[in-house]
Amino acid sequence: DAKTTQPTSMDCAEGRAANLPCNHSTISGNEYVYWYRQIHSQGPQYIIHGLKNNETNEMASLIITEDRKSSTLILPHATLRDTAVYYCIVRVGGGGQGAQKLVFGQGTRLTINP
Amino acid sequence: EAQVTQNPRYLITVTGKKLTVTCSQNMNHEYMSWYRQDPGLGLRQIYYSMNVEVTDKGDVPEGYKVSRKEKRNFPLILESPSPNQTSLYFCASSLPGSPTEAFFGQGTRLTVV
Repeated sequence: DAKTTQPTSMDCAEGRAANLPCNHSTISGNEYVYWYRQIHSQGPQYIIHGLKNNETNEMASLIITEDRKSSTLILPHATLRDTAVYYCIVRVGGGGQGAQKLVFGQGTRLTINP
Repeated sequence: EAQVTQNPRYLITVTGKKLTVTCSQNMNHEYMSWYRQDPGLGLRQIYYSMNVEVTDKGDVPEGYKVSRKEKRNFPLILESPSPNQTSLYFCASSLPGSPTEAFFGQGTRLTVV
């Protein structure tokens, strides 16, 4: 799986958009970009994933650059409950262990300030 | 409600006393796995199972066993726990194929003294 690079920490004001970057310059054509978050010591929570196109769901938006070497997770109106560690993970498509296993890096510790 | 349930949530035990951490999911997922999380090392996969009676080692399997007799359950067994197995453990499940999201349990904080 391609390696990802994320900033160690970020701050954002409550109510503002939080933009979390991720670099994955060695990503392959069949690898998806996933985002998970972990609030305190709870189990990681799935947020969103994408392959090439930008994606949006009720939690966030995912912007993937045209060359797919980087992406940005956007939390449009951050709240205090969004304070968490956010993980950007690149994973192959298809079946098998490679498509299921999650390789977690250190993630970005996002702090939402009142 | 779709969920992965782990028990116990907290456990303090002594070195060498066999223990089992249970994991159950109600989503009929084929794939299940166990991770441990340690400061500075992140989450690492211990064992995984592609389906009933199909299990295999992850990245850090030493000192652990698993079984998958039923699709919904995937217990983690520590035959002879040691202090270096003190950690936060997570069970996860997902459907086969990709892309797919993984669902995680709430975690089991294990302390071995």
